Amino acid sequence: DAKTTQPTSMDCAEGRAANLPCNHSTISGNEYVYWYRQIHSQGPQYIIHGLKNNETNEMASLIITEDRKSSTLILPHATLRDTAVYYCIVRVWGDTGNQFYFGTGTSLTVIP
Amino acid sequence: EPEVTQTPSHQVTQMGQEVILRCVPISNHLYFYWYRQILGQKVEFLVSFYNNEISEKSEIFDDQFSVERPDGSNFTLKIRSTKLEDSAMYFCASSLDLAGNSGNTIYFGEGSWLTVV
Repeated sequence: DAKTTQPTSMDCAEGRAANLPCNHSTISGNEYVYWYRQIHSQGPQYIIHGLKNNETNEMASLIITEDRKSSTLILPHATLRDTAVYYCIVRVWGDTGNQFYFGTGTSLTVIP
Repeated sequence: EPEVTQTPSHQVTQMGQEVILRCVPISNHLYFYWYRQILGQKVEFLVSFYNNEISEKSEIFDDQFSVERPDGSNFTLKIRSTKLEDSAMYFCASSLDLAGNSGNTIYFGEGSWLTVV
């Protein structure tokens, strides 16, 4: 149901870029890729989303491959507060396709 | 920045009791959702709600669950007769527009932690 595959865990040194990969090989042409994160069982926090172009906002950058089968979330300068579980989610376009299906995500640990 | 707010943050209830979890979605949003997360497990979709009716629900959302938008601001989840396995964090969420529309996304509240004893 999640339609995405992510590594279970990753470490990143504080101040360095964190690159979190995601595979979504079954994605179709009108499906968006969304990234959320969850810190200590708080509510999932929206980070960024994209369709086929690379995207950047104040939190992160999203790089989507040309075939759209994978993407990478980049946190340019990771801080300790970025330690969280990161979810890559593919949305479905449809009349009632309003739900997100969360997988197990990637547990990112930022190391001092 | 507008946010989804939930009450209570934590509730302890006895098995078999009714529980109502409350949510105030972002004010101009039209779609509302409940998710839950059992401790240590994935975030799971329960139900989505639009135009005063359920638009989609998961297998988890059985007859013990109901949702309501009693007024113009609140969105509630009721569990009629709680079971031990209902112990979880329940997240309310809302979105402005239909899934897939450019720029549309779902915003989550901080959750209500329900403990059934």
